[in-house]
Amino acid sequence: EAGVAQSPRYKIIEKRQSVAFWCNPISGHATLYWYQQILGQGPKLLIQFQNNGVVDDSQLPKDRFSAERLKGVDSTLKIQPAKLEDSAVYLCASRAINNYGYTFGSGTRLTVV
Amino acid sequence: RKEVEQDPGPFNVPEGATVAFNCTYSNSASQSFFWYRQDCRKEPKLLMSVYSSGNEDGRFTAQLNRASQYISLLIRDSKLSDSATYLCVVNENYGQNFVFGPGTRLSVLP
Repeated sequence: EAGVAQSPRYKIIEKRQSVAFWCNPISGHATLYWYQQILGQGPKLLIQFQNNGVVDDSQLPKDRFSAERLKGVDSTLKIQPAKLEDSAVYLCASRAINNYGYTFGSGTRLTVV
Repeated sequence: RKEVEQDPGPFNVPEGATVAFNCTYSNSASQSFFWYRQDCRKEPKLLMSVYSSGNEDGRFTAQLNRASQYISLLIRDSKLSDSATYLCVVNENYGQNFVFGPGTRLSVLP
């Protein structure tokens, strides 16, 4: 079984620039999550999709972050404009319905300078 | 109070030692519990689920105390390869919301 694919692996941008991350979950996994992990902290949920609908985006800074999963498969997460404090690893995870286990992608490491 | 709290660490132990990590959670309605392992610069990976009756997987034992809202992970006979950050994860609504603790870093020394 192929894992969760994420790209790019690394990204360095200047503050106030825009950036987008892409995630392709495991085939057939209905639930997709985006997490932000700041160095030394645990992952923090940004947004959760069930198919192409948003289940939870309560911790997404909506003034600058947006995410979509238009066809219930791939997802993109965008930051516009980026701030220094957005420097983190952005992890995508997917899960099949009725399966408690998450599978994470390898993440995108964002550095905002 | 944070939703999921863990021992701050880091834990530095010699090979062969037994080490225990503690985790507390604030939401008494939490339904299921997990330990994840995260190697440096890697993504978290599921180590084991935590059941009410306690469960063991080789050198790893997980315990849950619902009354005290407390979870533990015990590692016996530590190996160098056990060096990682251990994340406590609490599921608050049957899979709808997984909350991660900050993690406890373990270094097993030769």
